[in-house]
Amino acid sequence: DQQVKQNSPSLSVQEGRISILNCDYTNSMFDYFLWYKKYPAEGPTFLISISSIKDKNEDGRFTVFLNKSAKHLSLHIVPSQPGDSAVYFCAASFTETSGSRLTFGEGTQLTVNP
Amino acid sequence: DAGVIQSPRHEVTEMGQEVTLRCKPISGHDYLFWYRQTMMRGLELLIYFNNNVPIDDSGMPEDRFSAKMPNASFSTLKIQPSEPRDSAVYFCASSLGKLINQPQHFGDGTRLSIL
Repeated sequence: DQQVKQNSPSLSVQEGRISILNCDYTNSMFDYFLWYKKYPAEGPTFLISISSIKDKNEDGRFTVFLNKSAKHLSLHIVPSQPGDSAVYFCAASFTETSGSRLTFGEGTQLTVNP
Repeated sequence: DAGVIQSPRHEVTEMGQEVTLRCKPISGHDYLFWYRQTMMRGLELLIYFNNNVPIDDSGMPEDRFSAKMPNASFSTLKIQPSEPRDSAVYFCASSLGKLINQPQHFGDGTRLSIL
């Protein structure tokens, strides 16, 4: 039972354009969401997060949108750069009940072409 | 400023052997997590500790897997006996306080191959 799903295994965009990565979740009790980026042979690194009390959080070129009614979140990268090419994981947590347990999606491989 | 350190980076061993993976969390972090990444199941949490005490081990697949944290600066994940289906990348992560305040910081992983 995959509670966090990233339905696109890969995405390819041109440098300078917008990258949009999507994530769906099934458990309405999730109340905190994160995006991690992973380069080959390295561990995931934290990118951006959003609490369920918000619907948008922005950090430089990265913006995360949360649609609670649709149980959907997305990560926008504008403008996309070749260095953004990596696997992106979304993750979710029930902060009140389990403290720090993260449930990850399968990941989306983003390729930004020069 | 050292991050999470895992060793070894790569391990190849034969089926039936004992495997021990090691992790040194970031100094001062009070949460430590062990994850496994496979093609079939993605990144899944195996176990996590708070102040060296195991809090949730519901993700540990079988009794062949065990994890310990004898002190705040060291943890091990042991597989005995190992099987080919244990082949995966194992990540250790640490954090300071609860998730909503601090993200988890991951090590670079141990790539385990069981022949």
